[in-house]
Amino acid sequence: KNEVEQSPQNLTAQEGEFITINCSYSVGISALHWLQQHPGGGIVSLFMLSSGKKKHGRLIATINIQEKHSSLHITASHPRDSAVYICAVPNRDDKIIFGKGTRLHILP
Amino acid sequence: DTGVSQNPRHKITKRGQNVTFRCDPISEHNRLYWYRQTLGQGPEFLTYFQNEAQLEKSRLLSDRFSAERPKGSFSTLEIQRTEQGDSAMYLCASRRDVYGYTFGSGTRLTVV
Repeated sequence: KNEVEQSPQNLTAQEGEFITINCSYSVGISALHWLQQHPGGGIVSLFMLSSGKKKHGRLIATINIQEKHSSLHITASHPRDSAVYICAVPNRDDKIIFGKGTRLHILP
Repeated sequence: DTGVSQNPRHKITKRGQNVTFRCDPISEHNRLYWYRQTLGQGPEFLTYFQNEAQLEKSRLLSDRFSAERPKGSFSTLEIQRTEQGDSAMYLCASRRDVYGYTFGSGTRLTVV
């Protein structure tokens, strides 16, 4: 079992839909990161959170430390949101463990 | 401070050539990490530094790979005699002690 599991692996939705991407982890953490990667592009850090909820524009990230679960939500999704979303968690050995990513495709 | 900077953004090289990438972390960050991401996979750990000391190297880092952080500031990752299998995104991240990580945008290497 991977230390960081994301679901779904792939997601296609219509423009305007509410999107949820999930991340479950088995390592102890200080903070969890959500990253975005556009096709052929670099990585952009979206959120770092260790508790509760953070919001930035149409993006919302939540984390439940007890359940070792985080979600990334996108409201009013848009084709420009199409990208790979990656969950990343540092483990006790001070290495970041990355999920395999969720490939999101928003149709116009 | 503009965050973690990686150069170049893209590099295309012929098989057998040497390449070097550079990572400039946030100035007060003492830890620096290199990761590699192949197509369809999440990034995987390569190596990391605390100040100028290289503390750990992954088995993924073959003898053709070398990383340095000579003054505890910027770091370089060199790949000698590149192979097509080295084609990947090379990602740098930095942090200060227990605080969160800051990620660079990565260097995409294509070996032809």
